[in-house]
Amino acid sequence: GAVVSQHPSRVICKSGTSVKIECRSLDFQATTMFWYRQFPKQSLMLMATSNEGSKATYEQGVEKDKFLINHASLTLSTLTVTSAHPEDSSFYICSARVSAAYGYTFGSGTRLTVV
Amino acid sequence: AQSVTQPDIHITVSEGASLELRCNYSYGATPYLFWYVQSPGQGLQLLLKYFSGDTLVQGIKGFEAEFKRSQSSFNLRKPSVHWSDAAEYFCAVRGGSQGNLIFGKGTKLSVKP
Repeated sequence: GAVVSQHPSRVICKSGTSVKIECRSLDFQATTMFWYRQFPKQSLMLMATSNEGSKATYEQGVEKDKFLINHASLTLSTLTVTSAHPEDSSFYICSARVSAAYGYTFGSGTRLTVV
Repeated sequence: AQSVTQPDIHITVSEGASLELRCNYSYGATPYLFWYVQSPGQGLQLLLKYFSGDTLVQGIKGFEAEFKRSQSSFNLRKPSVHWSDAAEYFCAVRGGSQGNLIFGKGTKLSVKP
C-alpha cells in the first residue's frame, strides 16, 4: 500500500522548453507532497512542499516561477520546470506523507536532461 | 538546525560479511528516524523507521537499526550482506519546517564477491 506513481521516469528536452512531472498517489490521499531534487552522487534536497488546494511553499533559493507546483487534488501533484536550461538537469523525486504511523512514501523519480 | 551526518561516503564489504552503516543526527526532541535504500536511477525504498518504543528496529531484507539517544546515532546493520544489497543508503530524520525529511549525504555500499 501507499504507492506514489511518478511519471515520466526519464525525459530529455530542449533548452527553453517546459517539462511537467506528475506524481499520483494510487491508494491513499496525499494531502502533502514534497518535491526533492538530487544531484549526481549527492543527497536529496527539498525544493518545495505542496498542500492540496493551496499554494506551494518553496525552500530558500528555489525559483518559484521556474518550478511551478500544482496540487489540485488529493491524488495528484505536478512539478513543471519552465524554460528549462541545462543546469536544471537533475533527478527529481516526489514524496508524500502517508500518516503519522506509516511515514513517507517516494515516487520512483524522474531523470530530466536538458540539451 | 536539524541535520543528519553519514560519515562514510563509500563502504566496500565482502559478500557474507557483516555490515554497519553509521548515522548521527542533530535534533532537539525525540526524533523520527528512517533508513532508505536507493538503487541507481530509482526512487527510495524504506528499510526501517524508528518513532518510539524499542530502540532496536527490525526492517526489511534482514536489516536492523539501533537508536542510541546518548550517542545521537541510528546505525544500520546487517549480519550477512548479499550482492543485491549494493546500493546507496540514506539516513533521514523528520525535522524540516514543513514536516519533511532531512537526509544525510548517503553511503554507497559496494559488495565484493
